[in-house]
Amino acid sequence: DAKTTQPTSMDCAEGRAANLPCNHSTISGNEYVYWYRQIHSQGPQYIIHGLKNNETNEMASLIITEDRKSSTLILPHATLRDTAVYYCIVLASGGSYIPTFGRGTSLIVHP
Amino acid sequence: DGGITQSPKYLFRKEGQNVTLSCEQNLNHDAMYWYRQDPGQGLRLIYYSQIVNDFQKGDIAEGYSVSREKKESFPLTVTSAQKNPTAFYLCASSIDRPEKLFFGSGTQLSVL
Repeated sequence: DAKTTQPTSMDCAEGRAANLPCNHSTISGNEYVYWYRQIHSQGPQYIIHGLKNNETNEMASLIITEDRKSSTLILPHATLRDTAVYYCIVLASGGSYIPTFGRGTSLIVHP
Repeated sequence: DGGITQSPKYLFRKEGQNVTLSCEQNLNHDAMYWYRQDPGQGLRLIYYSQIVNDFQKGDIAEGYSVSREKKESFPLTVTSAQKNPTAFYLCASSIDRPEKLFFGSGTQLSVL
């Protein structure tokens, strides 16, 4: 997705926090930040989304900077099953834009 | 359990042959989508449908066709005009707006 920039790959030790960054410097006021992940040979899975406040659910936390130009997805205690490609997408709520997914960040969690 | 079912998991196409990939959902979602994923790449939108009997082309619709006769079903036909069909095909749905997508498990299409 041309609206976001993510590192190509990252790695993390099992049990440690995985912090995945995303830059979206051209984000508009009505656009949300969405995160999905795709485990190998499966369909992407929704993780979390936010507008400007930090968000947390059972899967992850999302930290959005005050200027909203970047965000970080945090997996607090990464497991081997968190090894996947993580996609950051910017999308306006209720709009007609259909999300497409760039290459994302390939996260490898190692023992 | 509600979800999206794609079939078959693996599909092989001969030269000049049309093949149809099935996508069924029992989530009562209005909108459905088809994406293509090439190895090591992201997902590109082929077609989408926001209501029954209506659909729109995505970024790479050439060589593909769809139908939306029922809310639950959104089959994708890969025609012989698609010269490079080998890819992983993903179907998704959403309640109405496209922000939160639910994906199927995908179909891997290969050319013999």
